[in-house]
Amino acid sequence: EVQLVESGGGLVQPGGSLRLSCAASGFTFNKYEMNWVRQAPGKGLEWVSYISSRSTTIYYADSVKGRFTISKDNAKDSLYLQMNSLRAEDTAIYYCARVSGAAGDPLDYWGQGTLVTVSS
Amino acid sequence: DIQMTQSPSSLSASVGDRVTITCRASQSISSFLNWYQKKPGKAPNLLIYGASSLHSGVPSRFSGSGSGTDFTLTITSLQPEDFATYYCQQTYSSPFIFGGGTKVEIK
Repeated sequence: EVQLVESGGGLVQPGGSLRLSCAASGFTFNKYEMNWVRQAPGKGLEWVSYISSRSTTIYYADSVKGRFTISKDNAKDSLYLQMNSLRAEDTAIYYCARVSGAAGDPLDYWGQGTLVTVSS
Repeated sequence: DIQMTQSPSSLSASVGDRVTITCRASQSISSFLNWYQKKPGKAPNLLIYGASSLHSGVPSRFSGSGSGTDFTLTITSLQPEDFATYYCQQTYSSPFIFGGGTKVEIK
């Protein structure tokens, strides 16, 4: 059974840092591309970042570029999101999601999410 | 960047109704369009991928159509468990933008 479990969320002050983790199981992690997606309170889904299966290609949303860093440790079956210079508008539930190999590259499995709150 | 315009932003419908949600891309995205269902407190669920393919385990009352710039999600005979928010997402090119969402509420 495919499972994605996020951790690392919490309360952080503006300007602070946080590192999110996503532990994967039930599939061959090194063969899959991954994404981070977030949802701020009362808002819609916002794509955050993408990483290819072997980390050769990485993309970011403009809203996080230069502040967030996505990484993937295939030996540990884990995905990470290092978040620096956090702002109030980064407050959201953060989901990791797997890219299916199917047409359209959909996100077929999602974690349960981890809440990040940026507040003083 | 490709912009995704989803409409309507909300709708009220009754159980048994046919519901149609549209998503328009600002430029052609071929069939790189996926649909998700999101319920409060839950992770999103994939419904339709590649514009028109039904994801495994998704009821057949859900269907998707379109290519290029105009796409549609249709729910035939709305069921109580379908009241949720629906999002389209383009995966043609980065940034992989989601539409603004359509909240389907009970009439």
